[in-house]
Amino acid sequence: DAGVTQSPTHLIKTRGQQVTLRCSPKSGHDTVSWYQQALGQGPQFIFQYYEEEERQRGNFPDRFSGHQFPNYSSELNVNALLLGDSALYLCASSGSGRTDTQYFGPGTRLTVL
Amino acid sequence: EDKVVQSPLSLVVHEGDTVTLNCSYEVTNFRSLLWYKQEKKAPTFLFMLTSSGIEKKSGRLSSILDKKELFSILNITATQTGDSAVYLCAVRATGTASKLTFGTGTRLQVTL
Repeated sequence: DAGVTQSPTHLIKTRGQQVTLRCSPKSGHDTVSWYQQALGQGPQFIFQYYEEEERQRGNFPDRFSGHQFPNYSSELNVNALLLGDSALYLCASSGSGRTDTQYFGPGTRLTVL
Repeated sequence: EDKVVQSPLSLVVHEGDTVTLNCSYEVTNFRSLLWYKQEKKAPTFLFMLTSSGIEKKSGRLSSILDKKELFSILNITATQTGDSAVYLCAVRATGTASKLTFGTGTRLQVTL
């Protein structure tokens, strides 16, 4: 049973560029959440997707957008990259049940130069 | 706004020691508190606690929640070098979404 997978593993971009990160949820999960983890900090919630719609959003600007596909996989897009966007981006999947736990993927390390 | 504070920020112990990690929280409409272990990248799930006073246990790790005083502790007995990691505490509120609010974590280093 495959866990949560993310691609790419690492990414280097320059300021102003755009980036797309991808996530495939754990088998049987239909909800995907994205988190940003800066160095030395805990993960910060970006947004959550369920039934191909954004269900909840954290305090992130509109430069951060996402999408969920019918197979439950998801993309995170960041436009007009800033140096401060450098971080580990984590995807977590869960079922839609009220007690379902979120399971995390290995993350994508984004460096903005 | 939901808030999670973990202490200590870091600690170094010798193999075989017992450690206690602390997590206090403020959340509107609390649903659950979760502990994760993060060694390199992916946080791995340890425990989810929803009820006060009920200890969750897995091997040398255990955790308990106090909903009245709004805190949780994670205990690790007979520590091993493989326990070296960042331990993250997160809370989840009620509602249709399942956003987790994390603390900054406790970095544990176990030395020989």
